[in-house]
Amino acid sequence: DAKTTQPNSMESNEEEPVHLPCNHSTISGTDYIHWYRQLPSQGPEYVIHGLTSNVNNRMASLAIAEDRKSSTLILHRATLRDAAVYYCILSGTSYGKLTFGQGTILTVHP
Amino acid sequence: NAGVMQNPRHLVRRRGQEARLRCSPMKGHSHVYWYRQLPEEGLKFMVYLQKENIIDESGMPKERFSAEFPKEGPSILRIQQVVRGDSAAYFCASSPPKQGAHNEQFFGPGTRLTVL
Repeated sequence: DAKTTQPNSMESNEEEPVHLPCNHSTISGTDYIHWYRQLPSQGPEYVIHGLTSNVNNRMASLAIAEDRKSSTLILHRATLRDAAVYYCILSGTSYGKLTFGQGTILTVHP
Repeated sequence: NAGVMQNPRHLVRRRGQEARLRCSPMKGHSHVYWYRQLPEEGLKFMVYLQKENIIDESGMPKERFSAEFPKEGPSILRIQQVVRGDSAAYFCASSPPKQGAHNEQFFGPGTRLTVL
């Protein structure tokens, strides 16, 4: 699986937007971009995924660069409950095995 | 629809004992994955199973660890003769029976194993 690079940590204030970047310069044409997050003492939770086009769901938006070498997870209004480790994962296998990196620790200040 | 269930949530074992971790996937899901998270480390894939079949065990330690997903009942991750280095959080995930690189995986709350 291709490698992703994320900042170790980011901070935000409550009710402000958060942009979490991910670089994946060696992405292949068939790799999907997945985002999961892990709240403290919990299992990971799916956030969003995409292939080429920008995606929106009730949790977040995913903006994918035109060359697909980077993407950004956007939380439109951060809440304290969004404090978590966010993982950007590429999956090019046929059965969805996930390879987690170190992720980005998001701290949300009240 | 109940989520992925894991039990026990906490398990304490002494060195040399056996640990059995159970995972009940979401209803209708036939794919199960096990991941391990060592203290202060990231999640690592261990094994991927479908009903009665091990599809990929490339992340499983070569000795003492085994996994199964029988036709009936939960998936079991078994660790024989546990050592202190096995202390970790073990997460199970399930996904529905469709192929594709974009299957969403649903994770359970994990079993936290402590080896004394």
